[in-house]
Amino acid sequence: EAGVAQSPRYKIIEKRQSVAFWCNPISGHATLYWYQQILGQGPKLLIQFQNNGVVDDSQLPKDRFSAERLKGVDSTLKIQPAKLEDSAVYLCASSHHAEDGQAFFGQGTRLTVV
Amino acid sequence: QQPVQSPQAVILREGEDAVINCSSSKALYSVHWYRQKHGEAPVFLMILLKGGEQKGHEKISASFNEKKQQSSLYLTASQLSYSGTYFCGTAVRGSEKLVFGKGTKLTVNP
Repeated sequence: EAGVAQSPRYKIIEKRQSVAFWCNPISGHATLYWYQQILGQGPKLLIQFQNNGVVDDSQLPKDRFSAERLKGVDSTLKIQPAKLEDSAVYLCASSHHAEDGQAFFGQGTRLTVV
Repeated sequence: QQPVQSPQAVILREGEDAVINCSSSKALYSVHWYRQKHGEAPVFLMILLKGGEQKGHEKISASFNEKKQQSSLYLTASQLSYSGTYFCGTAVRGSEKLVFGKGTKLTVNP
């Protein structure tokens, strides 16, 4: 079974620039998560999809972050414009069921904003 | 809604035991445990779904006390490979969100 694929692995941008991350979940997984993990902290849930609908985006800074999951499969997370404090690892995860299913994580995208 | 983990950090010698706790202010539906090594993605350890449920994975096991709204992860006879940061993720009844604690950093020395 192929794992969760994310790209790019690393990205360095200047503040006020825009950036996009891509995630391909495990085939058949209805739930997809985007987490932000700042160095030394736990993953912070940004947005959670169930198929192509949003379950929760309460911690997504909607003035600069956006995410979509077209056709309930792949997902993209965009930041525009980026701030220095957005430097973090962005993790994508997927699971069969949100509450009682194992979440599988991708390798993440390490974003550095300079 | 973020679960609280304790302790924040633990240092062990190989062969020693450790307990990591995870507690929530809300009624829990499930507790998920993950281990993350530096620079890597979190790796699933186990999930607990029922109050009182206990699960084991080699020398790593966990319990779930639904009444106390908490879970504990037990690491026995620790090995060097156990080093990493352990996160608990919780799903609250009525919500489908999976929220993680701040983590417990475990260091196992020879």
